Amino acid sequence: DSGVTQTPKHLITATGQRVTLRCSPRSGDLSVYWYQQSLDQGLQFLIHYYNGEERAKGNILERFSAQQFPDLHSELNLSSLELGDSALYFCASSAGGTRVLLSPLHFGNGTRLTVT
Amino acid sequence: KNEVEQSPQNLTAQEGEFITINCSYSVGISALHWLQQHPGGGIVSLFMLSSGKKKHGRLIATINIQEKHSSLHITASHPRDSAVYICAVSYGGYYGGSQGNLIFGKGTKLSVKP
Repeated sequence: DSGVTQTPKHLITATGQRVTLRCSPRSGDLSVYWYQQSLDQGLQFLIHYYNGEERAKGNILERFSAQQFPDLHSELNLSSLELGDSALYFCASSAGGTRVLLSPLHFGNGTRLTVT
Repeated sequence: KNEVEQSPQNLTAQEGEFITINCSYSVGISALHWLQQHPGGGIVSLFMLSSGKKKHGRLIATINIQEKHSSLHITASHPRDSAVYICAVSYGGYYGGSQGNLIFGKGTKLSVKP
């Protein structure tokens, strides 16, 4: 058990809709990362939050947004959904910190999103 | 642009065989990660390394920074090792735990037959 919790495990929705994916990091971890795994693009880094602040953006679409709350859980919001957004969405957490080097990543089990 | 290349894409082995999966990347990195993804979809971090060699049980990971190359070895392979093994590199530096800002390889699908 990685200690990272993602909900829901599965989500089926229609095109044009909006969904929210939730990630609770491992206790004490300050960094949360979001990734998308699709059949055609493979795994891609979407966005990184550290202690409530956005730190880096990867290949995240403008229709997608994220935030990290004071209790350090994070949400990934996907709007105006398209068929191509169907994918596995993972989050991972790490300790982070200004002087913490190379702390391990802990992955959640993912949310499988199906857009019909 | 940093690219991550893995080989082979698919690998079938007999139980007990020694397995090597290779990963190469194109520009400087802060760390290299080996991940395991089982058929159920969950991802487990096996190793994170920036130099030298690490060992955990039957798994060994090495990295050569000068050659921009890493290998994952599995000794005495077992059917339960069957999974997709993914190499990924961090390029975001050390500040604020940016080692999760990853570029991923396409993965190596390993099947170990009893």
